[in-house]
Amino acid sequence: QSVLTQPPSASGTPGQRVTISCSGGSSNIGGHSVNWYQQLLGTAPKLLIYIDNQRPSGVPDRFSGSKSGTSASLAISGLQSEDEADYYCAAWDDSLNVWVFGGGTKVTVL
Amino acid sequence: EVQLVESGGGLVQPGGSLRLSCAASGFTFRTYWMHWVRQAPGKGLVWVSHINNDGSSTNYADSVKGRFTISRDNAKNTLYLQMNSLRAEDTAVYYCARASEAAFHIWGQGTLVTVSS
Repeated sequence: QSVLTQPPSASGTPGQRVTISCSGGSSNIGGHSVNWYQQLLGTAPKLLIYIDNQRPSGVPDRFSGSKSGTSASLAISGLQSEDEADYYCAAWDDSLNVWVFGGGTKVTVL
Repeated sequence: EVQLVESGGGLVQPGGSLRLSCAASGFTFRTYWMHWVRQAPGKGLVWVSHINNDGSSTNYADSVKGRFTISRDNAKNTLYLQMNSLRAEDTAVYYCARASEAAFHIWGQGTLVTVSS
């Protein structure tokens, strides 16, 4: 059972917009920035979004992040086949004194 | 090129020990906090440990506290994870990651640790 809660799966057709939610609490998302990672099959995770809504250089602007209270979201607009991957949210938890991840959401492009 | 390369994984019996290494290149290693994150087969990401830039401060997940030790050699640009009293549930791919701006910006390719008799 992960501290951060994500839906296990999400899907869409090419060109659609897909949104992934990440729910936490006041000790993690509510008080600290949220990051999102993309993990393609068989590869290492890659940073997609940091400090809630910032994109590292090289990440397409189709990916966007937002946060409100104790929840965060990752949106993928103009879904492409290469976006098929697992997506994880993460945040520091100052009650547990550890970094916590969501359980991951598998995005399927139909 | 900024790069992290893990090594040292393998098959070990329950109760055994293993030391993982993470060689850093392409950036000033001594200025960054470093982390270990693991992923059991078919499961999600789990944070394991972190160490500050000069090695004076460390932190661990409860599941590994007292058994794992994170360390670094800034002269060798290398991060380590000493794993003792290994259990079957420690079986995972172990990733090292470079942290900045409250995120893990750079990840290694991972090294697989299998604990089995």
